[in-house]
Amino acid sequence: DADVTQTPRNRITKTGKRIMLECSQTKGHDRMYWYRQDPGLGLRLIYYSFDVKDINKGEISDGYSVSRQAQAKFSLSLESAIPNQTALYFCATSELTTPNTGELFFGEGSRLTVL
Amino acid sequence: QKEVEQDPGPLSVPEGAIVSLNCTYSNSAFQYFMWYRQYSRKGPELLMYTYSSGNKEDGRFTAQVDKSSKYISLFIRDSQPSDSATYLCAMSAEGGNNRKLIWGLGTSLAVNP
Repeated sequence: DADVTQTPRNRITKTGKRIMLECSQTKGHDRMYWYRQDPGLGLRLIYYSFDVKDINKGEISDGYSVSRQAQAKFSLSLESAIPNQTALYFCATSELTTPNTGELFFGEGSRLTVL
Repeated sequence: QKEVEQDPGPLSVPEGAIVSLNCTYSNSAFQYFMWYRQYSRKGPELLMYTYSSGNKEDGRFTAQVDKSSKYISLFIRDSQPSDSATYLCAMSAEGGNNRKLIWGLGTSLAVNP
């Protein structure tokens, strides 16, 4: 089983619908992240969380919200989806190490299409 | 101008070739440099991590950093079809600080048998 699991893997929805992407991890890492990947724009950080009580906005948080339900679970919500939120979404985890490389462990991605 | 520039390719080489993948950057404060590999329909995975200037070798892979030219490279020797993937460079001024990690767009590599 994957260490970082994302559901759903693929989703097609309509403009205005609420969408939730879920992420769970078995790596025991405190730090979790949500990224989106777009052709020509690369990977961009949406939100990150360093522990259950910590939520922080990333580079492109507008139109998104997150919930850290437990150390192992981090969900991304689109309250009212719009077509330019069509993208490949990745959840990732990391932990503090020595040296602190910040190595990210990614899930397999959730492909979201908003019509 | 983007902080990190990476030629998207695609790059197509025959099996056994030496591959050179490159990124340039503009921020002289960057000291931590990473190469991630992303297979189709998968998330990226860390391939190489380098601090400051110099070379780092791991098997068939060598990461090189030239801070004076603001240029980093990833060399793949004896390339294999299994190396076919997109290679993303990433860098930051602070070690382990993924909040400020700057990503290249990735170079798509195909190694043909």
